[in-house]
Amino acid sequence: NAGVTQTPKFQVLKTGQSMTLQCAQDMNHEYMSWYRQDPGMGLRLIHYSVGAGITDQGEVPNGYNVSRSTTEDFPLRLLSAAPSQTSVYFCASSPGTGGYSNQPQHFGDGTRLSIL
Amino acid sequence: KQEVTQIPAALSVPEGENLVLNCSFTDSAIYNLQWFRQDPGKGLTSLLLIQSSQREQTSGRLNASLDKSSGRSTLYIAASQPGDSATYLCAVITGGGNKLTFGTGTQLKVEL
Repeated sequence: NAGVTQTPKFQVLKTGQSMTLQCAQDMNHEYMSWYRQDPGMGLRLIHYSVGAGITDQGEVPNGYNVSRSTTEDFPLRLLSAAPSQTSVYFCASSPGTGGYSNQPQHFGDGTRLSIL
Repeated sequence: KQEVTQIPAALSVPEGENLVLNCSFTDSAIYNLQWFRQDPGKGLTSLLLIQSSQREQTSGRLNASLDKSSGRSTLYIAASQPGDSATYLCAVITGGGNKLTFGTGTQLKVEL
């Protein structure tokens, strides 16, 4: 059971480049979400999904796009990378339906992204 | 807007000591509260989840309590060990979408 898998683990981009951070889970979880972690600011929600075909914005969505075509995958796209997007990105998933889940959320190991 | 605060930001204790980490939140209308552990360069591992109707949860040497009306939770670690050294994060779910609002964490170091 692989859990939540994020690729790549590390990436360096130049300003203006685009890329996709991959997230896959093999637990058939309905809820998936993307967070970024910055020193002194904790983890902040970028986008989230309550099921295949349904996505919504979190606290800091600007500059990022998501889609959820399958239950397993939830990729995060950086449209035009900026130095302010240098961060560690985490994907999370949990089971459940409705408004929220009382099951623990599972996190991937993160993608460390540097924008030059 | 929900805000989560964790005090202290950092803590260093000798091995064997019992310790308490604190978490407070501004909006008491939460669905649940979760405590996570994060090791350097790693992802988050869920330790305990307390539903809004519960007062505490226990797992091994860990005990988490929740006082929803006062907006507070504590994580109690008994007989601390060097392997407990990590950053501990608390997070709450307030609205729909299963969205977590995190505190900035307490960095714990347990010394031999």
